[in-house]
Amino acid sequence: GNSVTQMEGPVTLSEEAFLTINCTYTATGYPSLFWYVQYPGEGLQLLLKATKADDKGSNKGFEATYRKETTSFHLEKGSVQVSDSAVYFCALSDPNRDDKIIFGKGTRLHILP
Amino acid sequence: DADVTQTPRNRITKTGKRIMLECSQTKGHDRMYWYRQDPGLGLRLIYYSFDVKDINKGEISDGYSVSRQAQAKFSLSLESAIPNQTALYFCATSTPGLPLGEQFFGPGTRLTVL
Repeated sequence: GNSVTQMEGPVTLSEEAFLTINCTYTATGYPSLFWYVQYPGEGLQLLLKATKADDKGSNKGFEATYRKETTSFHLEKGSVQVSDSAVYFCALSDPNRDDKIIFGKGTRLHILP
Repeated sequence: DADVTQTPRNRITKTGKRIMLECSQTKGHDRMYWYRQDPGLGLRLIYYSFDVKDINKGEISDGYSVSRQAQAKFSLSLESAIPNQTALYFCATSTPGLPLGEQFFGPGTRLTVL
């Protein structure tokens, strides 16, 4: 079945460091891929998305590229800020199954000033 | 005003009690979802509804029921709460016009069952 695996956290970085959060997936068909972010005390919100292979999603300085050959969708940011501290979820949806999306377990990110 | 609201935001209840969590949305979306979040487990789908007359079980529906009272309202009930239902519950919405997987979440309800 479809699944998403993302690196376990917590991840702790200093401000202005480079960030990578790994995400790999297993899916039938051609899924769309997403990164959601959950700030403390809030619900999830969509950070970025990619709907086909080689697409790059980007938002707020974050980027992720849909790599079909490695079944990956790693999240990157060149210079993190304290305000980026949150939990990040990788997710996929299969266009052939419109009933649900599959979330990874989440990666907690702490940015130190 | 928030597009997806949940009430209550926090609730403490006792084992065996019936409890209802409510979700309302002003986005005009047809699709609504209930998830629970547990530490280290991510989000798991409880129930979802694609319109008022369409209700579907998710991966962890046992012990839960739902009611879609209107397009804008989707309630989750625990008929007889038990401690392992202690979790953070989220409502979400989407619409066929969006890519599948693009959902809008409420702020969550933190439920504690003693």
